[in-house]
Amino acid sequence: GQNIDQPTEMTATEGAIVQINCTYQTSGFNGLFWYQQHAGEAPTFLSYNVLDGLEEKGRFSSFLSRSKGYSYLLLKELQMKDSASYLCAHMDSNYQLIWGAGTKLIIKP
Amino acid sequence: DAGITQSPRHKVTETGTPVTLRCHQTENHRYMYWYRQDPGHGLRLIHYSYGVKDTDKGEVSDGYSVSRSKTEDFLLTLESATSSQTSVYFCATVRTEITYEQYFGPGTRLTVT
Repeated sequence: GQNIDQPTEMTATEGAIVQINCTYQTSGFNGLFWYQQHAGEAPTFLSYNVLDGLEEKGRFSSFLSRSKGYSYLLLKELQMKDSASYLCAHMDSNYQLIWGAGTKLIIKP
Repeated sequence: DAGITQSPRHKVTETGTPVTLRCHQTENHRYMYWYRQDPGHGLRLIHYSYGVKDTDKGEVSDGYSVSRSKTEDFLLTLESATSSQTSVYFCATVRTEITYEQYFGPGTRLTVT
């Protein structure tokens, strides 16, 4: 079967670094996505990994290990506007996205 | 995203009534999706389309039907709304068939009383 897990909620301090983990189990894999979703808004695309390793994009980086079924999203120099839910999703062999329930990130001053 | 709109944005309806939600895109994308989002659950796929008149069921398709008679419009119909269909509904499209990343419309908040 297919499953994807991420923590329900995390808290971090403004200016700090936070890592949000995601684990998945799948019989077919075509990539791992991270999305950001502010309360009351639609998800917006952050990153895509299909090969092992780290992809850096400004303050945000995403890592993938296909052999371990593991990814993380790293957010540096946290700002209050980063308070949001972060959604992990993997793409299965039919090119459908399988979504985690999301991690609510709370940033404190 | 400016290229995808959903209507209505909010709707309150009574149990047993039919409801149709509309997703409209202006960028000629082939793939379109309907999801629902509920607290404690990830986005769950209801139906998707890979072209005009080509649609398929997703994970939670019971009680929903779709139609795509034009590339730009993907309609989701609740034949007889139930309280369990109270949710936020998102439409999405795929801009590139290289990575298949999805872009979302603003969502429709549906309440069934």
